[in-house]
Amino acid sequence: QSALTQPPSASGSPGQSVTISCTGTSSDVGGYNYVSWYQQHPGKAPNLIIYEVTKRPSGVPDRFSGSKSGNTASLTVSGLQAEDEADYYCSSYAGSNNYVFGSGTKVTVL
Amino acid sequence: QVQLVQSGAEVRKPGTSVRVSCKASGYTFTSYYIHWVRQAPGQGLEWMGVINPSAAAAAYAQNLQGRVTMTRETSTGTVYMELNSLKSEDTAVYYCARGWELFGGKWFDPWGQGTLVTVSS
Repeated sequence: QSALTQPPSASGSPGQSVTISCTGTSSDVGGYNYVSWYQQHPGKAPNLIIYEVTKRPSGVPDRFSGSKSGNTASLTVSGLQAEDEADYYCSSYAGSNNYVFGSGTKVTVL
Repeated sequence: QVQLVQSGAEVRKPGTSVRVSCKASGYTFTSYYIHWVRQAPGQGLEWMGVINPSAAAAAYAQNLQGRVTMTRETSTGTVYMELNSLKSEDTAVYYCARGWELFGGKWFDPWGQGTLVTVSS
């Protein structure tokens, strides 16, 4: 199972928006509405911020939103804040109790 | 509150084995799957496999089949991940994470704090 493709980096100034793509295949991202996104700060464990493509767990700011079109899912962070600087990973169910993660995107707040 | 607490850092020589534990608390242990995910230094996340603590059934990533075994101890609410025939490429932080499959969900939340496994001669 190959990793989902994410851009290595993305950046924006405080208050701006940044969108991260996550491209897979019809066997994972395109085949299921089970894309989730995780935020990871340096030296910390990942934290769930989006599940089932568009849903936010309680406590996650509504600045984070998700979407999907075909084999590509996207995470948008609106109104960037300094604390949003982190690594972001997508994940997708791939059938038969298998999962795959994205390659990761480092978001920098300029 | 829901917590997954993992065992401490390990150092192993190539060709040996390591076992990492993940103790769950704050919820019904048999109602949620436990996944294992690893992250090599400076690299991304890699899904390793999943165990259903209720049925003790496990599924593993194809590239780890034959080297990884996931088990559980219901009496203590603990899940174990054992990796054999260690190579230097297995040096990574290993995470356990709760899975929501029994509720129809397929995401990981929350995660354990991570366990660093170093493989070096």
